[in-house]
Amino acid sequence: QITLKESGPTLVKPTQTLTLTCTFSGFSLSTSRVGVGWIRQPPGKALEWLAFIYWNEDRRYSPSLKSRLTITKDTSKNQVVLTMANMDPVDTATYYCAHRLLGGGQNFDYWGQGTLVTVSS
Amino acid sequence: EIVMTQSPATLSVSPGERATLSCRASQSVSSNLAWYQQKPGQAPRLLIYGASTRATGIPARFSGSGSGTEFTLTISSLQSEDFAVYYCQQSNNWPLTFGQGTKVEIK
Repeated sequence: QITLKESGPTLVKPTQTLTLTCTFSGFSLSTSRVGVGWIRQPPGKALEWLAFIYWNEDRRYSPSLKSRLTITKDTSKNQVVLTMANMDPVDTATYYCAHRLLGGGQNFDYWGQGTLVTVSS
Repeated sequence: EIVMTQSPATLSVSPGERATLSCRASQSVSSNLAWYQQKPGQAPRLLIYGASTRATGIPARFSGSGSGTEFTLTISSLQSEDFAVYYCQQSNNWPLTFGQGTKVEIK
């Protein structure tokens, strides 16, 4: 059974760097075609894709946020880490990590519960 | 970036009725289109991928159709648990993009 869970600070100050960890089970990021993505959702708003990492270290980023984002994986710990620099109040959102659907393009079939991050001084 | 536009923003439907949701892409995404359902306080749930393939465990009352730039999600007979927000997502091009959502509410 595949599960994912996000962890990290619930409150960050403007200009700080956010570090979120996605800890997963039920699959390995060393297996071919496996990938994990990060998606966020400001309160009451739509979903926004942020970043994606494949089993082979290929990484993709949202162009509008690329300069601020870094996604990495630790296969031995079954974790994916997302860092976002220079946080701003508009980055207040629930952040989700999700497992890529195998054989179905870049879609997400398993999601974490999400973690709400508030940016405020 | 491909812009996904969903309509209507809100759909009021009575239980047992049919619901039809639309999603339009600003350029062709072939059949690389997925639909998700999201209930308050929950993560999204994958319903449909490849424009028309139901994900594992999704009831047959959910169906997807379309290709290119025009897509439809149909819920044949709305159940109480289907009242939620629905998002489309294209995966034909990076960056991945979502629509702004359609809220299906009880009429």
